[in-house]
Amino acid sequence: GQQLNQSPQSMFIQEGEDVSMNCTSSSIFNTWLWYKQDPGEGPVLLIALYKAGELTSNGRLTAQFGITRKDSFLNISASIPSDVGIYFCAGFIQGAQKLVFGQGTRLTINP
Amino acid sequence: NAGVTQTPKFQVLKTGQSMTLQCAQDMNHEYMSWYRQDPGMGLRLIHYSVGAGITDQGEVPNGYNVSRSTTEDFPLRLLSAAPSQTSVYFCASSFDRGLGEAFFGQGTRLTVV
Repeated sequence: GQQLNQSPQSMFIQEGEDVSMNCTSSSIFNTWLWYKQDPGEGPVLLIALYKAGELTSNGRLTAQFGITRKDSFLNISASIPSDVGIYFCAGFIQGAQKLVFGQGTRLTINP
Repeated sequence: NAGVTQTPKFQVLKTGQSMTLQCAQDMNHEYMSWYRQDPGMGLRLIHYSVGAGITDQGEVPNGYNVSRSTTEDFPLRLLSAAPSQTSVYFCASSFDRGLGEAFFGQGTRLTVV
């Protein structure tokens, strides 16, 4: 089945630093999505990408849909304490009607 | 607007017991799904439904049943609980199955002893 390889698995950074994480797959996806999960909560959608090459921003977050449709990255600029959490990439295959998730990147920020 | 509501939030079961995890959404979404989240494995799809009366299996369906009698509700049934089903379960719904954007509930943390 489809698998997403998300890296890094964890990050420990200082407040104010920029963050970059990415997902790769051997499969082609129609949509790439990035979610954030806070402790004890469900994932919340941050950014959705629909076209190969698309670059989308949401405040300090920027994500790109890889040109091959097999990868995506998420950047967070000038990190703040509330950015702490687990970030998941997800790929959607329209014909298969399902989301496939990466393993997650756990972000920890030292003040 | 409540979004996606899951009950209960926590549950402890004995091996062999059965139970139903409830999920309801008030956004009139056609597409609903159940995931389980285990450490280091992301979220894995258990079952999904593209509309009332239609369900299908996901990646890890064994030991679980679902039904979709209404647009709003999508319960997940554990037939005979096993310790391997200890996990956090999330229900999600989407307004457009063609885009994949899912809204998640807060989760049910299940422990099977």
